[in-house]
Amino acid sequence: GAGVSQSPSNKVTEKGKDVELRCDPISGHTALYWYRQRLGQGLEFLIYFQGNSAPDKSGLPSDRFSAERTGESVSTLTIQRTQQEDSAVYLCASSFGGRAYEQYFGPGTRLTVT
Amino acid sequence: GNSVTQMEGPVTLSEEAFLTINCTYTATGYPSLFWYVQYPGEGLQLLLKATKADDKGSNKGFEATYRKETTSFHLEKGSVQVSDSAVYFCALSDYSSSASKIIFGSGTRLSIRP
Repeated sequence: GAGVSQSPSNKVTEKGKDVELRCDPISGHTALYWYRQRLGQGLEFLIYFQGNSAPDKSGLPSDRFSAERTGESVSTLTIQRTQQEDSAVYLCASSFGGRAYEQYFGPGTRLTVT
Repeated sequence: GNSVTQMEGPVTLSEEAFLTINCTYTATGYPSLFWYVQYPGEGLQLLLKATKADDKGSNKGFEATYRKETTSFHLEKGSVQVSDSAVYFCALSDYSSSASKIIFGSGTRLSIRP
């Protein structure tokens, strides 16, 4: 595809339920990033995948958060036992190799936990 | 650790006014500096970048100069338009360390009145 895509675009879930958010990076981009953006705030780094290297999980806020990536393609961010404070826009970005600055962002998934 | 501080918004200006959005950074090593923009309803886009001291990044009439002596990367535009209304994020990436992620500021919302 032409750009990074994310699904769903909006997700409303009840507190305590699990959710899965999907990211399709640009073809050929070896690096993939997840960020969280709370209302009116900046981007909060969550996790980074680069090729076959171990992911950088240093930004994950709790063990309820996890992410996987299949090779150099799709990634899934999973939030277990969602809490209201998890409500945010979750952004995915991809880049080619180590050129981290040329990150291309998807439109995001707006998660609302009721 | 590395960090980015940018002026709080919202910033409201009249069309054709001069714009400055301040950004300062703290970093070890030799960071690259960026401005990203998020237009309403859209994903983040790289606006401009500078990779070494005294470099000037420019795009769409916006400019920012990498000032190592003042650790700043202020965004400027001589004459803003209504279409410039967006949230602007200052960011850095440090290639001298093992860091592979971009650190974003909290964002500055800009609104331009016709």
